[in-house]
Amino acid sequence: AQKITQTQPGMFVQEKEAVTLDCTYDTSDQSYGLFWYKQPSSGEMIFLIYQGSYDEQNATEGRYSLNFQKARKSANLVISASQLGDSAMYFCAMRIPAGGNQFYFGTGTSLTVIP
Amino acid sequence: DGGITQSPKYLFRKEGQNVTLSCEQNLNHDAMYWYRQDPGQGLRLIYYSQIVNDFQKGDIAEGYSVSREKKESFPLTVTSAQKNPTAFYLCASTRWAGPLYGYTFGSGTRLTVV
Repeated sequence: AQKITQTQPGMFVQEKEAVTLDCTYDTSDQSYGLFWYKQPSSGEMIFLIYQGSYDEQNATEGRYSLNFQKARKSANLVISASQLGDSAMYFCAMRIPAGGNQFYFGTGTSLTVIP
Repeated sequence: DGGITQSPKYLFRKEGQNVTLSCEQNLNHDAMYWYRQDPGQGLRLIYYSQIVNDFQKGDIAEGYSVSREKKESFPLTVTSAQKNPTAFYLCASTRWAGPLYGYTFGSGTRLTVV
């Protein structure tokens, strides 16, 4: 069963506007971690932000924030004040310590920032 | 600075050849992983290793082999049995315990069959 779902294959946003990239997850475990990674055209994977399942406050890292809604099992990434350099693929991932401590990745969202 | 080094950045393989992709980390991470990424798609797990001299198959291990003789190194061999090896290969590492740690990724190797 798919653990991470990203339903937006492609997104467009105007420069300086905010954008939300959706991510839902599926697990019955109580302890897990949620991550967002950025992959520019060069291919490297860049860590953006992390949210632990027991964290009560939404994580923020500069222009990135994670809208964590535990009951809805969603972990959406919000990018404020988009910049041209934000154009990239974005992957949501989940790590579950139980059952082998596996990482699960979504299929990604391609974000294009329009000048 | 600590990190993961993948080499080469670009690799060309002839039909029937085995090639080895290098992955070295100096982060003292326990676990190392190999992923394959095809154009426009997500990451698929090939192999992973939690400790030295031990590794497990991922979702698409057929046609690949690995070794983990040192904590720092986790090379991936793409064998001639892998019928469609053209892809982007990413190596990653992490501390094994707990959900708090994400992956650190290498910069990737782009493999092309010629």
